[in-house]
Amino acid sequence: ETGVTQSPTHLIKTRGQQVTLRCSSQSGHNTVSWYQQALGQGPQFIFQYYREEENGRGNFPPRFSGLQFPNYSSELNVNALELDDSALYLCASSAGQGNSPLHFGNGTRLTVT
Amino acid sequence: AQSVTQPDIHITVSEGASLELRCNYSYGATPYLFWYVQSPGQGLQLLLKYFSGDTLVQGIKGFEAEFKRSQSSFNLRKPSVHWSDAAEYFCAVGGSSGGTSYGKLTFGQGTILTVHP
Repeated sequence: ETGVTQSPTHLIKTRGQQVTLRCSSQSGHNTVSWYQQALGQGPQFIFQYYREEENGRGNFPPRFSGLQFPNYSSELNVNALELDDSALYLCASSAGQGNSPLHFGNGTRLTVT
Repeated sequence: AQSVTQPDIHITVSEGASLELRCNYSYGATPYLFWYVQSPGQGLQLLLKYFSGDTLVQGIKGFEAEFKRSQSSFNLRKPSVHWSDAAEYFCAVGGSSGGTSYGKLTFGQGTILTVHP
């Protein structure tokens, strides 16, 4: 089975720009969650998508937005980038049930200069 | 609000020695508990999970963890550490109440494990 894949692996942007990160979920998974992992920290929940709708959000401002497509792949968009947005962005998919653990991709390393 | 505390930021052990990584959680209902491992520049790999039932959970790579409700703990153990176990370990708690809780995990800050030969 194909695992969770994310693209690109690395990205450098300038403050104020916009960025789109992409995620393909694991086969059979209909739920995608996005996490931000700053250097030296644990991942923090950004939001979750289930059947193309946002289904839970963490403490992140509206300039963090997302999409989920009919094939369950997903995008994370960040507008008006700030230096503090520099982090590893992790996508995780699951079967959307309480006893279905998250399966993570290898992440996208975003650097904002 | 749910939270996870991993008291040890960095642990160093010798190869072949036993290992215990501590994790304390706070959660208002029955928790789902997880341990993930992360190698440098990589994503998170699930080591083991607890949902219900037997409080001693076996995972991959010879790891196990014990859920102790009275202590709000879910410590990770391994009887004999291998050099390849060097990585960062994260404990996480999730919701058992369904709905939006499924994908929302709260992670601890992580424990970096160094293994000396």
